[in-house]
Formats: sequence, C-alpha cells, structure tokens
Amino acid sequence: SQQGEEDPQALSIQEGENATMNCSYKTSINNLQWYRQNSGRGLVHLILIRSNEREKHSGRLRVTLDTSKKSSSLLITASRAADTASYFCATDGIYNQGGKLIFGQGTELSVKP
Amino acid sequence: ETGVTQSPTHLIKTRGQQVTLRCSSQSGHNTVSWYQQALGQGPQFIFQYYREEENGRGNFPPRFSGLQFPNYSSELNVNALELDDSALYLCASSDGPATGELFFGEGSRLTVL
Repeated sequence: SQQGEEDPQALSIQEGENATMNCSYKTSINNLQWYRQNSGRGLVHLILIRSNEREKHSGRLRVTLDTSKKSSSLLITASRAADTASYFCATDGIYNQGGKLIFGQGTELSVKP
Repeated sequence: ETGVTQSPTHLIKTRGQQVTLRCSSQSGHNTVSWYQQALGQGPQFIFQYYREEENGRGNFPPRFSGLQFPNYSSELNVNALELDDSALYLCASSDGPATGELFFGEGSRLTVL
C-alpha cells in the first residue's frame, strides 16, 4: 500500500506560472522527500524535509510540512517547460522497516511554453 | 546524473521464466534498495541490502530475491515470472541504510508476455 497520496494527479500550467502539488500521508514520519521523474526514467531527489522542520527552500522549490495534518506541499515558482515531469512525495515512516521509503502515486506536471 | 547504473535497460520475458537485473551503486555508497514501479504508479519498495545483508523487505513474495556483492553492486532475481511483474525496476544507492536521499539509476524495464 502507498502512504503518500498526491493531489492533483495531473496539473497543466503555462510557463512562468507557479505549480503547487500536495501530499498527504498516514503515519508519523522521520522525514518526507520529494522526487522528480522524467518520463519512464529514474527518479531524481529534489528536497528532504525533516519532521521537526516546517518549511524548506531550494532554488525555485519551496516545501512545507504540517505534521499535525500529515501533509506536505511542493511549490515550483516561475515554472519552465523543462519542469515537465512527474513529482512524487516519499515518506520515511517511524515504523518503516529498514530502508523503506513509501512513495505516493505522483503528480504529473505539464508546463506549456 | 547519478553514478548508479542498471542493466539491462529493457528486456522481454515470457511467463514462468526467470530474470536477473543488475545494479552498480554510486561510488562510496554501501547500501542498495530496489523498487518496482508499475505504469502510472509510484515506486514500491522491494528490499534493501546493506553490507551484503538484506536489511528490510517490502510486501513481495519470496520469488523476488537479491544479492549484494563485496563491491556493493547488487542483483535482483525474479523467478516464475508473472504478467503482473511487468514494470520498471529501479535501483537506488545511498550512504548507509538510514532513509535519507536516494540516488536512483535509470531503471530496467521488464515486459512479461
């Protein structure tokens, strides 16, 4: 079963607009990570936020974490066509057995030039 | 790009056959995790190897098995292939078994006919 559920499943925007993706999860976590996947290829790590952090920035990315609501959001500002990809949240639950990240089903982002 | 390499990139098998997928971890990484990603889904954890020992396993049957070698490269073996085993198999390496950032390879796409 997958713990992280992402919303929306698909998002289409114009270049220059901001894109916001949301992730909800079920159990307490050590950290939450966001990954990007270009069509059918490997995943690339974007950002990790620990359970005691509320917000983190990396370049055009901003991630928030609300452990009371068990949710996270990823904001991509000033999007570019090259940002077109699938985005996944992944949680490291405190009860997870060794090495297990639980991924959501992903948000498919399309940025139109 | 990460330093994680996987082979083969694509392969086609028939039901009942066996397959071996290979992964070379990034230099300096002693931990390898394997994930299965069905079309349109997020990756699902199969198992993790740390210093040549299985360190955790997801909800996969025993016909999914693995190995890690002294150089930390790894193999995933699947016996008695079923149609539902068709998926992208992703290998990820990390510096230790704690669930921080994972470095993914480009995956091996398996089609079972």
